[in-house]
Amino acid sequence: DTEVTQTPKHLVMGMTNKKSLKCEQHMGHRAMYWYKQKAKKPPELMFVYSYEKLSINESVPSRFSPECPNSSLLNLHLHALQPEDSALYLCASSRTGSGSYNEQFFGPGTRLTVL
Amino acid sequence: AQSVAQPEDQVNVAEGNPLTVKCTYSVSGNPYLFWYVQYPNRGLQFLLKYITGDNLVKGSYGFEAEFNKSQTSFHLKKPSALVSDSALYFCAVSGVGGGNKLTFGTGTQLKVEL
Repeated sequence: DTEVTQTPKHLVMGMTNKKSLKCEQHMGHRAMYWYKQKAKKPPELMFVYSYEKLSINESVPSRFSPECPNSSLLNLHLHALQPEDSALYLCASSRTGSGSYNEQFFGPGTRLTVL
Repeated sequence: AQSVAQPEDQVNVAEGNPLTVKCTYSVSGNPYLFWYVQYPNRGLQFLLKYITGDNLVKGSYGFEAEFNKSQTSFHLKKPSALVSDSALYFCAVSGVGGGNKLTFGTGTQLKVEL
């Protein structure tokens, strides 16, 4: 299995809602990532988990809360989002937690709209 | 700090012609360089990477890239473009000790026309 899967594909939420994005990989990768991408722009790194521990938080607002329950799963909990948070949220994984030379494998993304 | 520049927002090529998408980088030490492609409403797909060794790297779908240390460039090339190659292409760099952090260029929209 060489896929990163993400659910849901689309999500519409109000500013007071709580929702979660889910990401799963079964490639035995030990690093997992969350990115935010606006249309026609490069992905912006949000969080990196390495061996199930949070290793990078790119000063992301606390209304985004990541969780890595095990080496295959990554969640992003959303609460009290703003309309400007509407974007494509991409999950990625890579082979090890410390090798910058490892390519990242991306999921198809969750298209989030905040009303 | 590491950075990547993609000087062209868009590249137009006729099908069957060779294509080049340009990328220059800046990083301390030896770079790890990557190309990714993104089709509409999809995630990014890995095309190829340079770590060390041969300066010409071959990747997926007939793409290749040439690492040039003196010019700090890593241009993406394909000998014969296909309409299906039309997509958004991102160059990315990470450095030794970069902690898995990829820095992406701004992206180049490739349009291949019949």
